[in-house]
Amino acid sequence: TQLLEQSPQFLSIQEGENLTVYCNSSSVFSSLQWYRQEPGEGPVLLVTVVTGGEVKKLKRLTFQFGDARKDSSLHITAAQTGDTGLYLCAGASAGGTSYGKLTFGQGTILTVHP
Amino acid sequence: DTEVTQTPKHLVMGMTNKKSLKCEQHMGHRAMYWYKQKAKKPPELMFVYSYEKLSINESVPSRFSPECPNSSLLNLHLHALQPEDSALYLCASSQKAPVDSTAYEQYFGPGTRLTVT
Repeated sequence: TQLLEQSPQFLSIQEGENLTVYCNSSSVFSSLQWYRQEPGEGPVLLVTVVTGGEVKKLKRLTFQFGDARKDSSLHITAAQTGDTGLYLCAGASAGGTSYGKLTFGQGTILTVHP
Repeated sequence: DTEVTQTPKHLVMGMTNKKSLKCEQHMGHRAMYWYKQKAKKPPELMFVYSYEKLSINESVPSRFSPECPNSSLLNLHLHALQPEDSALYLCASSQKAPVDSTAYEQYFGPGTRLTVT
């Protein structure tokens, strides 16, 4: 069974601060996706990373995929109250028992205070 | 356009009722998914349909019955549910089916909040 360890589980910061969320695994993923979810809504896809070492930027959000495709990070610069939500990483596998399924991290609940 | 729609938004049902959840996408996606999500937890996969055929059933109890009438629609039929089945039910779709590619980005609908009384 593949596992994706996401940390921290909870993050409470002030507006303007920077933060980083990590997802780590002992398994290799063929691609990794990051989602943001607000209460009562479905997850919204932020980015997909596919290549080892890849870095993608989405405004104040920077996503990295580890060289070995086992880990990923999400960095938010100058957080805003609108960044509040549940952040989920999810890895896709090429084969094995996880074939066809996304492996989700446990999620990071981010609260940004004004 | 990456929109997946789900109806109803909210559903309250008794343990003896029969109801259905509906999901629709018009993006030409080849795979559709049902997930169950409890508060502040990640989604748990229930079913995967690839090319309108059931490809994965994650040992879901038979009181949940999926159906894919065509490439754009996905239903989840509910019967004799238990209070512990109360959750947010999410539908998702991906352009590529898992059998075709490993980069199957999934796009989620807004979910149906189900309460079983």
